[in-house]
Amino acid sequence: SAVISQKPSRDICQRGTSLTIQCQVDSQVTMMFWYRQQPGQSLTLIATANQGSEATYESGFVIDKFPISRPNLTFSTLTVSNMSPEDSSIYLCSVEGVAYEQYFGPGTRLTVT
Amino acid sequence: AQSVTQPDIHITVSEGASLELRCNYSYGATPYLFWYVQSPGQGLQLLLKYFSGDTLVQGIKGFEAEFKRSQSSFNLRKPSVHWSDAAEYFCAGYSRGGGSNYKLTFGKGTLLTVNP
Repeated sequence: SAVISQKPSRDICQRGTSLTIQCQVDSQVTMMFWYRQQPGQSLTLIATANQGSEATYESGFVIDKFPISRPNLTFSTLTVSNMSPEDSSIYLCSVEGVAYEQYFGPGTRLTVT
Repeated sequence: AQSVTQPDIHITVSEGASLELRCNYSYGATPYLFWYVQSPGQGLQLLLKYFSGDTLVQGIKGFEAEFKRSQSSFNLRKPSVHWSDAAEYFCAGYSRGGGSNYKLTFGKGTLLTVNP
């Protein structure tokens, strides 16, 4: 399985600012995914990021709010823009394994004040 | 719509007791199904997965799950629970197609408390 790291592990931000979350994988992967886990809730897919193409966003998520970069096969970033308290969540990245399973990073816990 | 349902929000068991966490799916074809565990403050760890073949799948940490097409279920079991099993457990199903082309859909999770 892939080893995934995320930076930062947690942050406290003021409303109206932006935060960029980094996701690094120890091997080359085609597809990377970004999820949001709101307090006490399950995971919701934000977008799928393939290297060399625009990210595909799920219903309810837009590029202006959650721009994603995928510059190479081992790295991706998710930016949470113009934050409000409702953006307080855990943000997780994941990668697909060899048999459709996904492996997750440790998550970034974001608090917006 | 394809979905995964976990009927139990919170389950409490005593250490050493057996455990069964329920998961129901709604998929037209044979689904790809997974169980993940999330310990407090941690990311998600894959426990086991089912794609096809043997309907009883073994996972890590002594967990197993049984796929029952007739009941649209994929329940997670463990014969003897340890205190370290206290965590949130998520059932997930994988589907292709649609605007997203590829999506892992999660149930709402079951929080497991283990009493000493």
